[in-house]
Amino acid sequence: DVKVTQSSRYLVKRTGEKVFLECVQDMDHENMFWYRQDPGLGLRLIYFSYDVKMKEKGDIPEGYSVSREKKERFSLILESASTNQTSMYLCASSFTGSRAPLHFGNGTRLTVT
Amino acid sequence: QKEVEQNSGPLSVPEGAIASLNCTYSDRGSQSFFWYRQYSGKSPELIMFIYSNGDKEDGRFTAQLNKASQYVSLLIRDSQPSDSATYLCAVNRNSGYALNFGKGTSLLVTP
Repeated sequence: DVKVTQSSRYLVKRTGEKVFLECVQDMDHENMFWYRQDPGLGLRLIYFSYDVKMKEKGDIPEGYSVSREKKERFSLILESASTNQTSMYLCASSFTGSRAPLHFGNGTRLTVT
Repeated sequence: QKEVEQNSGPLSVPEGAIASLNCTYSDRGSQSFFWYRQYSGKSPELIMFIYSNGDKEDGRFTAQLNKASQYVSLLIRDSQPSDSATYLCAVNRNSGYALNFGKGTSLLVTP
């Protein structure tokens, strides 16, 4: 079974803090993704990566950055957390190919106060 | 941005009935279509995928695809209360390997 592990299930941070969300997958997937999910807005793509040290902006990259130093690990960084970044963050991974499904981690519910 | 549209529901069906969930997409270049189930407070889990026009069956689930109409559906036969969840339709992006998701349809199966 594919396992995508997100380091924290719940996180509470203060406005202005730098926040790191970690994601690790154990299936040697080339592709990794970060989405956020908000009521009424669905899943929105923040950033993705198809290879080590490679990153591409998704639909809502503002206020975020990412790091992929190793194939299995993809980190999402909130440079200066704001209250509008309170959300459920979902990491996913997949093999390369348009037919490859995404496998999701358990999610991190981030609250910024 | 290419869109994936679903009725938000809730769709309420009695136990044992067939639940029919629908999805339309705007990108004619899309090739792969996925259905995910998401229980409240949990992450999405893949339940079906379909690439070719027609029907694909897996147990109580049937996915239907009509590329000419840009329409995907999911049928759940013999619905159970444990099927109560939000069902997300996802479509591959024309470039790259990310998926575009619909906002989901909430399904409630009543005993």
